[in-house]
Amino acid sequence: KAGVTQTPRYLIKTRGQQVTLSCSPISGHRSVSWYQQTPGQGLQFLFEYFSETQRNKGNFPGRFSGRQFSNSRSEMNVSTLELGDSALYLCASSAGQGATGELFFGEGSRLTVL
Amino acid sequence: GENVEQHPSTLSVQEGDSAVIKCTYSDSASNYFPWYKQELGKGPQLIIDIRSNVGEKKDQRIAVTLNKTAKHFSLHITETQPEDSAVYFCAASNPRNSGYSTLTFGKGTMLLVSP
Repeated sequence: KAGVTQTPRYLIKTRGQQVTLSCSPISGHRSVSWYQQTPGQGLQFLFEYFSETQRNKGNFPGRFSGRQFSNSRSEMNVSTLELGDSALYLCASSAGQGATGELFFGEGSRLTVL
Repeated sequence: GENVEQHPSTLSVQEGDSAVIKCTYSDSASNYFPWYKQELGKGPQLIIDIRSNVGEKKDQRIAVTLNKTAKHFSLHITETQPEDSAVYFCAASNPRNSGYSTLTFGKGTMLLVSP
C-alpha cells in the first residue's frame, strides 16, 4: 500500500511569489490535514479537509489556502510569500476519524523563501 | 485554544538507559493523546497513543501514562537503543466548534541515544 505522497519535495521561491503544494493520501483515506513545521514552533495545524470540505482551519493568515478534490488529493497554496513562510509543510491522511485516530504523514515539502 | 507544553527539548541518554518525556495540556476537553516519532528527513510516525478513559498503556519498550486531573501525560522508553534517536512529539486532540477535533502538538524533544 503506497504511503502519503507529497510533491514537490523541495522548492525555492522569492518573496511575493506564490506556491502550490500537492498531497496524495493513502488509497481509501478521505481526510487530509496540513501542518507547518518550523524549528522554533514545532508542528502547527493549517487545515483539514474531508470529502472536499474544509472541516477545521488553524490560526494562519488568509494567504494560506487549500482544497481537496473528489479523489481525495489535496493542494495547499500560499500567496504573497514572506521569509517567515520558509518551513517544512507536512500533509497527513487518515481514514476519516480526523484527529482522534492515527495520522499518516508524508515526508513533506520543504519550502525556502529568499 | 489548546496549548501543549513539552519537556525537555533535548535529551541525551546512554544505550540501555530509560528516557522520559513529559507533556502538559490546557484544555480539559482534550480526549486523545498520541505520540509521534520523526526520524531525519521523514514525516512523523505514530508510536503509541492513549485515550482519556485510560491511565496507562504499554507496547513493548514504550509506555505512556496520562493524569487527567493534572493534565499531563508522559512517554517512557526503556532499554533505549541507538535507533530510538529521533525527535518525539506529543499531541492532544480536542473538539472544535466545527464538531471535529484537531491535534495540537508539543514543540518536540530531540532524543539522542549514545552507544
